[in-house]
Amino acid sequence: EIVMTQSPATLSVSPGERATLSCRASQSVSSNLAWYQQKPGQAPRLLIYGASTRATGIPARFSGSGSGTEFTLTISSLQSEDFAVYYCQQYNNWPPPYTFGQGTKLEIK
Amino acid sequence: EVQLVESGGGLVQPGGSLKLSCAASGFTFSGSAMHWVRQASGKGLEWVGRIRSKANSYATAYAASVKGRFTISRDDSKNTAYLQMNSLKTEDTAVYYCAGGPPVYYYMDVWGKGTTVTVSS
Repeated sequence: EIVMTQSPATLSVSPGERATLSCRASQSVSSNLAWYQQKPGQAPRLLIYGASTRATGIPARFSGSGSGTEFTLTISSLQSEDFAVYYCQQYNNWPPPYTFGQGTKLEIK
Repeated sequence: EVQLVESGGGLVQPGGSLKLSCAASGFTFSGSAMHWVRQASGKGLEWVGRIRSKANSYATAYAASVKGRFTISRDDSKNTAYLQMNSLKTEDTAVYYCAGGPPVYYYMDVWGKGTTVTVSS
């Protein structure tokens, strides 16, 4: 099973500043990496797939990068609605499972 | 509007069974891979399993924690996916989300709001 490790567990950033979240895979997942945002009491929402492609309707301030085992989600200028928990997920096709990281909580500084 | 609506959650005793449903609308359900993902209270996301489309032989795959106890199926004529859960354990208590995605790459771009399953005596 591929283990996904996110860092940091909690990130405190002021509105308008940049946030950088990291995700590491225990073995290469190529570019088969997605990022999700989850707010309290809500379902997750897809932000990024293919490591760097924004999903439909996702603002340009969200960007993803990386390949292999090291990935980054960057939010260029934090808005109030961006404070949430962020998960990475690998979906290297075979074998399953398609594991999630443990999440990074992005909180207001 | 693209939508997934889960139903069937509730309270069940350890060792019992429950079947969840996921009704889809607003997108091409028959061509999509469908997943179940769960989240225990205050915890992270755990992928439970997926079923591929008819074109991919309705192939299923499961997490080790549920393999042999849970079964995913689908009825494309009803635009509905199912999660049959047997031999339930207290550690299966969670919010269960249904999610859909492309047929080959297993990320999830459509999510339901979830249904709560509580396994307790």
